[in-house]
Amino acid sequence: AQSVSQHNHHVILSEAASLELGCNYSYGGTVNLFWYVQYPGQHLQLLLKYFSGDPLVKGIKGFEAEFIKSKFSFNLRKPSVQWSDTAEYFCAVNNAGNMLTFGGGTRLMVKP
Amino acid sequence: DTGVSQDPRHKITKRGQNVTFRCDPISEHNRLYWYRQTLGQGPEFLTYFQNEAQLEKSRLLSDRFSAERPKGSFSTLEIQRTEQGDSAMYLCASSPRWQGLNGYTFGSGTRLTVV
Repeated sequence: AQSVSQHNHHVILSEAASLELGCNYSYGGTVNLFWYVQYPGQHLQLLLKYFSGDPLVKGIKGFEAEFIKSKFSFNLRKPSVQWSDTAEYFCAVNNAGNMLTFGGGTRLMVKP
Repeated sequence: DTGVSQDPRHKITKRGQNVTFRCDPISEHNRLYWYRQTLGQGPEFLTYFQNEAQLEKSRLLSDRFSAERPKGSFSTLEIQRTEQGDSAMYLCASSPRWQGLNGYTFGSGTRLTVV
């Protein structure tokens, strides 16, 4: 069975710092990749997705992610975080059917 | 609000009791999904409906769990003889057929606490 690993469980940054959250998956075939965000008290929302094409994908709110097939990775980045980026971030993978396999999540706290 | 609605938002029940949760998807979405999220973990897939047909079920969905979507609109998830290990957030999502994974919209979830 495929699995998704997010190695950073908690990240604390100051405003304007750069962010990179790691995501690695175990499946070797064709995959669709996603990053979701959950702001405090809100539902999961899609940040960005990769299905095919340019491995550098841009999402909402200045986030981007790079798919590196050889490393089975899909890391999330943002050049300069804001206090409003405080949230929990989930990487997810789909390789077949309609289900998503999620990583364990990374809690990001941005200090003003 | 035209998002995915889940009811109730919170449920506290005694071990051994049965509970039922409801999910109302976005009206034009014919695909509906249930996930479970335990503390400190990401969501885990439970089951998937296309219209009224339940097409996929996870091994996590034990015999005590049953999900229905009788008219292809709202769905219910019932847990019989609840156990403390069932305590979790139960998430529902929906998507239109032509978007599939592209159009997943999650609800805010039902938080179950079994005491």
